[in-house]
Amino acid sequence: GQQVQQSPASLVLQEGENAELQCNFSSTATQLQWFYQSPGGSLVSLLSNPSGTKHTGRLTSTTVTKERRSSLHISSSQTTDSGTYLCAIVPGTGSNRLTFGKGTKFSLIP
Amino acid sequence: ETAVFQTPNYHVTQVGNEVSFNCKQTLGHDTMYWYKQDSKKLLKIMFSYNNKQLIVNETVPRRFSPQSSDKAHLNLRIKSVEPEDSAVYLCASSRDNSGNTLYFGEGSRLIVV
Repeated sequence: GQQVQQSPASLVLQEGENAELQCNFSSTATQLQWFYQSPGGSLVSLLSNPSGTKHTGRLTSTTVTKERRSSLHISSSQTTDSGTYLCAIVPGTGSNRLTFGKGTKFSLIP
Repeated sequence: ETAVFQTPNYHVTQVGNEVSFNCKQTLGHDTMYWYKQDSKKLLKIMFSYNNKQLIVNETVPRRFSPQSSDKAHLNLRIKSVEPEDSAVYLCASSRDNSGNTLYFGEGSRLIVV
């Protein structure tokens, strides 16, 4: 089954609202990253957060390792935040490869 | 600022042809990767290359082969493309292979007709 599951699959909000994206994973994770993929397809790393809470700009990620879940909070969302948000883990199985979820497609209504 | 460069960004070809995608990183990283993103947007690793050690995902068909001249370059060759190879291929690099942050190129979209 899918090692990394993200929810919701898609999210539509009005500009200015806060967004909460979820990532659940079925194995232990030695590394967890959140990525943003623009509508044009380019992928950038947002946060690396294997445990605890991290902030960068309007983004906050909280990872609870023992519960195998992570969230990404986007505050005061802007139209430029539209795109797909991907969660990826390095499973604690001896592999060093990132395993990705299917992503949350995030759209903003002006 | 892009530091992982892929070419071409878009390629249309016929079944059976050979295709190559090039990737260069200017970050001084030791490890490079190729990922395939299918129509469902799922990213799956194909290869990782670190210090001349190639790690292959066993699900990758043998018509795919990585080619590296040095640690800053990792190209992807597809010997005889099939329709199911239509996808976006993403190159990435990381400082080493211990699970550091990945930096991605902008992707190479392949359409096989």
